[in-house]
Parts: sequence; structure tokens; C-alpha cells
Amino acid sequence: GQQLNQSPQSMFIQEGEDVSMNCTSSSIFNTWLWYKQDPGEGPVLLIALYKAGELTSNGRLTAQFGITRKDSFLNISASIPSDVGIYFCAGQKRRDSNYQLIWGAGTKLIIKP
Amino acid sequence: NAGVTQTPKFQVLKTGQSMTLQCAQDMNHEYMSWYRQDPGMGLRLIHYSVGAGITDQGEVPNGYNVSRSTTEDFPLRLLSAAPSQTSVYFCASSHGPLGTEAFFGQGTRLTVV
Repeated sequence: GQQLNQSPQSMFIQEGEDVSMNCTSSSIFNTWLWYKQDPGEGPVLLIALYKAGELTSNGRLTAQFGITRKDSFLNISASIPSDVGIYFCAGQKRRDSNYQLIWGAGTKLIIKP
Repeated sequence: NAGVTQTPKFQVLKTGQSMTLQCAQDMNHEYMSWYRQDPGMGLRLIHYSVGAGITDQGEVPNGYNVSRSTTEDFPLRLLSAAPSQTSVYFCASSHGPLGTEAFFGQGTRLTVV
């Protein structure tokens, strides 16, 4: 089936460091979404991207929709303890009259004490 | 402000048993969907609904049934539980189709023994 390759799988960082993660695919997407999931909770939308090349920020988070429409990245600047969690990318594509949403496997962010 | 409410939070079933996972939203969203989340994998779509009375299959529909008799409720039925259905199940609702911002419930952790 269709896949999104999300990397890295996990990251161990120090508080205050910048974080970068990305998603790539062989497919073209219309929309890229970035979600965060805290333990025991459902995912929460962080950023939505709708156009190739679009760069969008949400506080310390910045995400970009790749020019080729096959990739996207998420950056977190100056990480803080509450950034810990699992980050998911999801790509939307349209086939005929149906929409498909494909999810990456997630990047687990862990902050070293 | 309840958002998306899932019940139960935890459930243990014996192989062959049936049960219904409940999902309710109070945001008057037309679109609702069910996902399962397994370790090391992204969310996978089971079934979705674009409005009351309309449902369709997602990526992994086998072994599950849904119905949408009202805008608010979207229950997921396991017909004859199997160990392969051990997973965390998330219900989501959104104003627009797959790929628009979705609001997720807190999840149901199901174990089939």
C-alpha cells in the first residue's frame, strides 16, 4: 500500500535544542498535516499545509510543504519539556471523488534529563 | 466543551466476543472516522462517514461494522473479536473530508485474548 516514510523514528534531545523531522513519499499530496500525540490522548493538529512551497509557523513550530509535493518537514525551535510526545505527519490525496489520508509511523521525541 | 467522546477507555474481550465502541461528537461535524493505532505504525483508517446515513470503508475494514444514524454518533462494532484486533482505536470528527482538521477522541485500548 501507499506509505509515508517518517524520520527519524525517535529523537533524544536536550532541552533547548532545535528539532527537525520529515516525511517523504513517492506519491504527490494535496495537503500535509502535522499532529502531536501525548500519552493516553488522541492526536492534536499542529499545522496544516495546503500549497507546495508553503511555510507555516505555529509558535516555535515551523512546517513546510515540499516543492515536489512529495515531502514535508517540521521544525521545533528551543525545545521544552512539554514538547515530548509522538509527532505524526499525514498526507491527503484525492482519487476520483474520494479523499485518502495516509499517516506516517510517527517520530517519538524524548528530552534527556 | 466535550468535543469527541469515546467509551469505553479500556476493554478486554475474549476471542469470538462482539462489542460496540461508542463515539459521540458535539461539534455538528459531518465527517467522522474510525482509526486503529498499532505500535510502530501510523493510524490506519477502518471506516468513515460523510454524513448521517452514509458510511464507507477505509484501509482496514474487515471484521468491523459501522452505522451513522445521527450526526452525533458513530459506533464501531466488532463482530467476532480476534487477537489481531488488539489495538488502540480512535474516533475523529471534522468539518470537511479526510485531510481537513480532525478532532480526535482519547482512544479505546482494546485487548483480545
